[in-house]
Amino acid sequence: KAGVTQTPRYLIKTRGQQVTLSCSPISGHRSVSWYQQTPGQGLQFLFEYFSETQRNKGNFPGRFSGRQFSNSRSEMNVSTLELGDSALYLCASSLRSSGDVYTQYFGPGTRLLVL
Amino acid sequence: AQTVTQSQPEMSVQEAETVTLSCTYDTSESDYYLFWYKQPPSRQMILVIRQEAYKQQNATENRFSVNFQKAAKSFSLKISDSQLGDAAMYFCAYRDYSGNTPLVFGKGTRLSVIA
Repeated sequence: KAGVTQTPRYLIKTRGQQVTLSCSPISGHRSVSWYQQTPGQGLQFLFEYFSETQRNKGNFPGRFSGRQFSNSRSEMNVSTLELGDSALYLCASSLRSSGDVYTQYFGPGTRLLVL
Repeated sequence: AQTVTQSQPEMSVQEAETVTLSCTYDTSESDYYLFWYKQPPSRQMILVIRQEAYKQQNATENRFSVNFQKAAKSFSLKISDSQLGDAAMYFCAYRDYSGNTPLVFGKGTRLSVIA
C-alpha cells in the first residue's frame, strides 16, 4: 500500500499570500489530521477530519482552515500568511478516528517558508 | 487536559549499546493508547511502537520495547543494540480511546548514536 502523500513538498510564499496544502491518506483510511511543527513550539495539532467532518480542532486562528473530500483526501489552507507560519506541516491518516484501529501514519510533510 | 512529558531533551548512546528514553503522561482516562514515533533528519515521522493501556504486556518490535507502568503513568522506550540509523528525534504521544481529543505529543528527545 502506498503511504500518506503530501504535496507540494516545499513551498515559498510571501507575507499576505495564501497557500493550500494537500494530503492523500493511505488507501482505506478515513481520518486525516494536520499538525504544524516548528523548532520553538514543537508539534501542534491543527485539525482532524473524519468522513468529511471536522472532528477536532486545535488552537489556531481562523486563518487556518481545512476540508476533507469524499475520497478522504484533505486540504488545508492558510490565508494572509505571516512570518510565523513558516513550519513543517505534517499530515497523518488513520483507519478511523477512535477505538482499536486508531494509529496515525504520517506523510513526509510540506515545508513552508514565508518571506 | 492530557499532557505528555519527555524530560530528556537529548541523549546519546554508543553503537550496539542499549538506551532508554523516558516519557510520562497525565490523564484521567482509563482506556487510551501510547505511541513512540521516530523522526529522522528526513523529517518523516515513523511509528516505532504502540501500546494499548488495557494490555498489561509490554509491547515489543524487534530491537524496540517499552516499559509501560500504568499506575505511575510512565511509558519508556528501550532501544537495544543501537544502530547509527536509530539517530533521530523520538516523540512520545498519547490519545484516549474515544478519539474525542487529538494525539498529544511530548516535546521530543534527540538521540545521537556514537560509532
